[in-house]
Amino acid sequence: DAGVTQSPTHLIKTRGQHVTLRCSPISGHKSVSWYQQVLGQGPQFIFQYYEKEERGRGNFPDRFSARQFPNYSSELNVNALLLGDSALYLCASSQGQGAMNTEAFFGQGTRLTVV
Amino acid sequence: AQSVTQLGSHVSVSEGALVLLRCNYSSSVPPYLFWYVQYPNQGLQLLLKYTTGATLVKGINGFEAEFKKSETSFHLTKPSAHMSDAAEYFCAVSRTGNNRKLIWGLGTSLAVNP
Repeated sequence: DAGVTQSPTHLIKTRGQHVTLRCSPISGHKSVSWYQQVLGQGPQFIFQYYEKEERGRGNFPDRFSARQFPNYSSELNVNALLLGDSALYLCASSQGQGAMNTEAFFGQGTRLTVV
Repeated sequence: AQSVTQLGSHVSVSEGALVLLRCNYSSSVPPYLFWYVQYPNQGLQLLLKYTTGATLVKGINGFEAEFKKSETSFHLTKPSAHMSDAAEYFCAVSRTGNNRKLIWGLGTSLAVNP
């Protein structure tokens, strides 16, 4: 079975540009979360989507947006890129919101470099 | 609000020695607690988790952790370190209920010396 897949794996963008990162969850998983991990730090929560609805949002500016599609894949969009947006962006999928569905499976991440 | 504190950003042990990585949390509600490992340039892999029930949790690769509510701790241990254990380790907490965002510690880098 395929795990969580993210694309692209690496990306270099210029300040002010826009970027779209993609995530395909494990088959059968309905929840997708996005995290930003700056080098040397722990991940920071950006968004959670469940059944195509936003269920949680972290402390990130409006330049960050996301959506989830009917097949449960997800996109993270970042507008007007800043140098500080350079990070590893991680996608995690989980089965759902029930008490037993607590494990999040992570993709390999997308390494975004803004120059 | 929830938070996680990992004591020691860098821990170095000898191969075969005990591994102890410390994690303390704060939470106003019963927490779910997790330990993840991250190898260089890779995503995060779940080592173990505590949700409910037995407070001593066994995970993969010989790791275990004990949930101590009175101490608000969830320290990670392994009796005998292996060279392949060298990695970054993250402790995380999430709420019970529908908001499942994970709150992460800053991580502990484990070095294993031959």
